[in-house]
Amino acid sequence: KAGVTQTPRYLIKTRGQQVTLSCSPISGHRSVSWYQQTPGQGLQFLFEYFSETQRNKGNFPGRFSGRQFSNSRSEMNVSTLELGDSALYLCASSLGVQGVQETQYFGPGTRLLVL
Amino acid sequence: QQQVKQSPQSLIVQKGGISIINCAYENTAFDYFPWYQQFPGKGPALLIAIRPDVSEKKEGRFTISFNKSAKQFSLHIMDSQPGDSATYFCAAEDNYGQNFVFGPGTRLSVLP
Repeated sequence: KAGVTQTPRYLIKTRGQQVTLSCSPISGHRSVSWYQQTPGQGLQFLFEYFSETQRNKGNFPGRFSGRQFSNSRSEMNVSTLELGDSALYLCASSLGVQGVQETQYFGPGTRLLVL
Repeated sequence: QQQVKQSPQSLIVQKGGISIINCAYENTAFDYFPWYQQFPGKGPALLIAIRPDVSEKKEGRFTISFNKSAKQFSLHIMDSQPGDSATYFCAAEDNYGQNFVFGPGTRLSVLP
């Protein structure tokens, strides 16, 4: 099976711009979670999508949003970029069975630099 | 209460030595504890995981020890190798499969 893929791998934006990141989960996986990774804050949970619906949400401002398509692919959008949004954005996929603990499989991440 | 604490922040070990990373949690609803390994430029990958019904789990050179009463768990890497140099994250998930929390990570360097 192909792993989780994320595009683009690297991105440079300026403050105030918006950005859209894409994640394709492992085939058959219906849950996609997004994380922000920074040296200072570690891995922080952004949100989880399952069957095109946001199922869980972390503690991030509304500038961070996402969506999931019927094929389980997911996109994450950040509007009005700030310098502090510079980070590695990781997505992880799993089968998404409710009430069952599952392994999350991570993609390689998108490294975003905001200038 | 949702946090997972992890120590040390960084660790330097000689080749062949034992690497030990410790984690602690507060939320008693957590009952699945995976460890992830992350190499530079890569996403985290599951290394080994444990549930609280066992006190120890071993896979090759990697062992998780779990102390339910103390709400602590640790990763031991025996015969550490330079190829083990990576960042290690402990994590915890609740019994509903919803809350998934990572520790802040430990950067391990194994000297040749």
